[in-house]
Amino acid sequence: QVQLVESGGGLVKPGGSLRLSCEASGFIFSDYFMAWIRQAPGRGLEWIAHISGSLDIVYYADSVKGRFTVSRDNAKKSVSLEIDSLTAADTAVYYCVRGPTLVQGLLADLWGRGTTVIVSS
Amino acid sequence: QSVLTQPPSASGTPGQRVTISCSGKNSNIGSNTVSWYQQLAGAAPKFLLNSYNQRHSGVPDRFSASKSGTSASLAISGLQSGDEGDYYCAVWDDSVNGPVFGGGTKVTVL
Repeated sequence: QVQLVESGGGLVKPGGSLRLSCEASGFIFSDYFMAWIRQAPGRGLEWIAHISGSLDIVYYADSVKGRFTVSRDNAKKSVSLEIDSLTAADTAVYYCVRGPTLVQGLLADLWGRGTTVIVSS
Repeated sequence: QSVLTQPPSASGTPGQRVTISCSGKNSNIGSNTVSWYQQLAGAAPKFLLNSYNQRHSGVPDRFSASKSGTSASLAISGLQSGDEGDYYCAVWDDSVNGPVFGGGTKVTVL
């Protein structure tokens, strides 16, 4: 079954850190870019990071650059997002997605169900 | 404020056709393929189709997309109650070397 399953969300105090994980199944993981997209409560979608299958291309949105680190383990078919210096503005549902696959005109063609991060004292 | 501009809401009665616009710039919509996503209440977003009308598996042909210049649109024909939700456009932006989203459009079936 082709799917993405996120884990690692929770309640964190401001200034804290968190590591989100995503396990993939049902496709050749190393062939694809993988990304993280977040959605703050009642807000729209924000593409925050992606990493290539060969690990040589990494992208961060300006809003998270310097605090977020995306990584992947192709042997374990997993991608992670390390988040440091958390603030209330990081409160959101974080989605693991497959993509972008620009040669096919696709950005995020497969989504996980998301994991919720709440930053509060 | 989102890089791509979408109307906040759109509505129609069952069976009607609804169109959602997405406006951008030469560096994004003007140069790249636009993707559309559907987010039903309480669920994760789902890829629908792109501006070449390449549909995700299971997406009916009631959903269609088009692009002209720096604008794109999503049309839903034969509107159904199950189509109620939020719809987002997204595209690669050459100026930031990454993807950007529209603010989303809430579709209501009257």
